[in-house]
Amino acid sequence: DAGITQSPRHKVTETGTPVTLRCHQTENHRYMYWYRQDPGHGLRLIHYSYGVKDTDKGEVSDGYSVSRSKTEDFLLTLESATSSQTSVYFCAIGTSVHEQYFGPGTRLTVT
Amino acid sequence: AQSVTQPDIHITVSEGASLELRCNYSYGATPYLFWYVQSPGQGLQLLLKYFSGDTLVQGIKGFEAEFKRSQSSFNLRKPSVHWSDAAEYFCAVEGGGGADGLTFGKGTHLIIQP
Repeated sequence: DAGITQSPRHKVTETGTPVTLRCHQTENHRYMYWYRQDPGHGLRLIHYSYGVKDTDKGEVSDGYSVSRSKTEDFLLTLESATSSQTSVYFCAIGTSVHEQYFGPGTRLTVT
Repeated sequence: AQSVTQPDIHITVSEGASLELRCNYSYGATPYLFWYVQSPGQGLQLLLKYFSGDTLVQGIKGFEAEFKRSQSSFNLRKPSVHWSDAAEYFCAVEGGGGADGLTFGKGTHLIIQP
């Protein structure tokens, strides 16, 4: 157990509404990541962070923003949710030896 | 850009039989390679990793993987599968930049027959 929690675990929202997903770690790791998982696509990187206030875009960052004001929290925001953002979202932390450990996931449905 | 291919979407194996899941990667230098397992409705669990050195690496749950540079492959093996091994398996590569995220294959769904 890498001490990673995600909230909420499930959410249903309407198209056009803002949504924020939270990832919290208790391990004080520098690196944190957001991925989405869709059938037939595996996991794809959305955004990542290499420290407080230091973030960068991943492969599928359009329509998403992130913030990291504290080491332990990494927030993913959908400014205006669309049906194409219906997915399972996973947060991960990265250790100093290049290992990544994943949270339990958030299932988001946009109707 | 790096990429990962898992050629088999589904694999069915009888309980007690041996298993090999295939993974091919594309990357300019020696990559960091990983295998993860995901049980239904769960997060991903790290099975094993290869960074350098011995090309045969041991992981948890009796799994091993062999890195073959000449074939750009990192296949996962287990000598005898158990019904509890039924899950989705993902191969992943990281470019070694430290902060880089992982690039995943699309996964192989393992079905265990009694």
